[in-house]
Amino acid sequence: GQQVMQIPQYQHVQEGEDFTTYCNSSTTLSNIQWYKQRPGGHPVFLIQLVKSGEVKKQKRLTFQFGEAKKNSSLHITATQTTDVGTYFCAGLTTLDSNYQLIWGAGTKLIIKP
Amino acid sequence: NAGVTQTPKFQVLKTGQSMTLQCAQDMNHEYMSWYRQDPGMGLRLIHYSVGAGITDQGEVPNGYNVSRSTTEDFPLRLLSAAPSQTSVYFCASSYQVGGVYEQYFGPGTRLTVT
Repeated sequence: GQQVMQIPQYQHVQEGEDFTTYCNSSTTLSNIQWYKQRPGGHPVFLIQLVKSGEVKKQKRLTFQFGEAKKNSSLHITATQTTDVGTYFCAGLTTLDSNYQLIWGAGTKLIIKP
Repeated sequence: NAGVTQTPKFQVLKTGQSMTLQCAQDMNHEYMSWYRQDPGMGLRLIHYSVGAGITDQGEVPNGYNVSRSTTEDFPLRLLSAAPSQTSVYFCASSYQVGGVYEQYFGPGTRLTVT
């Protein structure tokens, strides 16, 4: 079936270091969304990328959508304790004329004390 | 605007018991869905609805039923609880088809089946 692979599963960083998570799809995506889930919380929408090669920034967060619309990345510069949580990508595909949102397994960002 | 609300927040069931997880949204969203999240895993779609009276199965529908009699409400029924259904359940809604528009999630129901 269609899959979105997200790596790494965990990333431990010192506060102030950078963080990156990657998503790779087995098929071309219509769009990709990114969500953040704080520990014990629920996923919260961050951003949506639609165009091939699109790059969007939100303060210290940079989101990219690959040229082939099969991969995406989220990069956080100079992590802060408020960045702790799990970051999910979700790619939209169509299957038999139906939209299908396929979720990555998430990358957990852990800040080392 | 309360957004997406879910009840209960926590639930413990014995194997074989049935229950209904409630989900409601006040944003007039057409698309609603139920996910389960297991430790270290992403979100797996159980059932979804594109409007009142219309429901369909997701990736892991077995053991669960849904109905959508109104735009606002989308309850999830566990027919005969099993330990494998221990999980965190999230309800989500979006303006139209999920993925075209951002999804709003409820706070979740943490279910333990013993």
